[in-house]
Amino acid sequence: GENVEQHPSTLSVQEGDSAVIKCTYSDSASNYFPWYKQELGKGPQLIIDIRSNVGEKKDQRIAVTLNKTAKHFSLHITETQPEDSAVYFCAASIMDQGGKLIFGQGTELSVKP
Amino acid sequence: ETGVTQTPRHLVMGMTNKKSLKCEQHLGHNAMYWYKQSAKKPLELMFVYNFKEQTENNSVPSRFSPECPNSSHLFLHLHTLQPEDSALYLCASSFRTGNANTGELFFGEGSRLTVL
Repeated sequence: GENVEQHPSTLSVQEGDSAVIKCTYSDSASNYFPWYKQELGKGPQLIIDIRSNVGEKKDQRIAVTLNKTAKHFSLHITETQPEDSAVYFCAASIMDQGGKLIFGQGTELSVKP
Repeated sequence: ETGVTQTPRHLVMGMTNKKSLKCEQHLGHNAMYWYKQSAKKPLELMFVYNFKEQTENNSVPSRFSPECPNSSHLFLHLHTLQPEDSALYLCASSFRTGNANTGELFFGEGSRLTVL
């Protein structure tokens, strides 16, 4: 079955710097890769996703890149702000086979003012 | 009103108690999920309901019993739990077409369970 590895487990950056979180997946059939942000005391919330027919997607300060050959995808946050501090989860799934999301272990991002 | 509402937010129970977690979604979705979130572990899928039918049971012990009376409500009945079952239990919903999940999962804020 699918296995998703996420690194690093913790990441601390200064406000204004960039943050990069990386994930690798094992099942080459996976075709949907969402990123979720979980703030303290809340449930995970989708912040961006990418499908396998696209190599990169950007939404304001957030971007995701996908390398299907290497089976890895990354989340890039530019100009980080204290409110970006949260736990970020990557996930992978096969959309037309139930769409079961397999999550990575999570990255705790801390943005220091 | 939030899209996915879970109650209670916090629950403490003994190993011999019977309790239930409740989830309600107001998004018009037709699929609902239970996930378990333990410290330092990935979110673990427990159950999937598609149009009120259970389509996945991820080898969950029988002391966890889900119930989905309609596409808007989902329960998780708890009985004779173990301390290692202490975790955050997250409910989610999505829109599915047949066997295809069409996209985003919307999560509730979770029920923090402590088993003494």
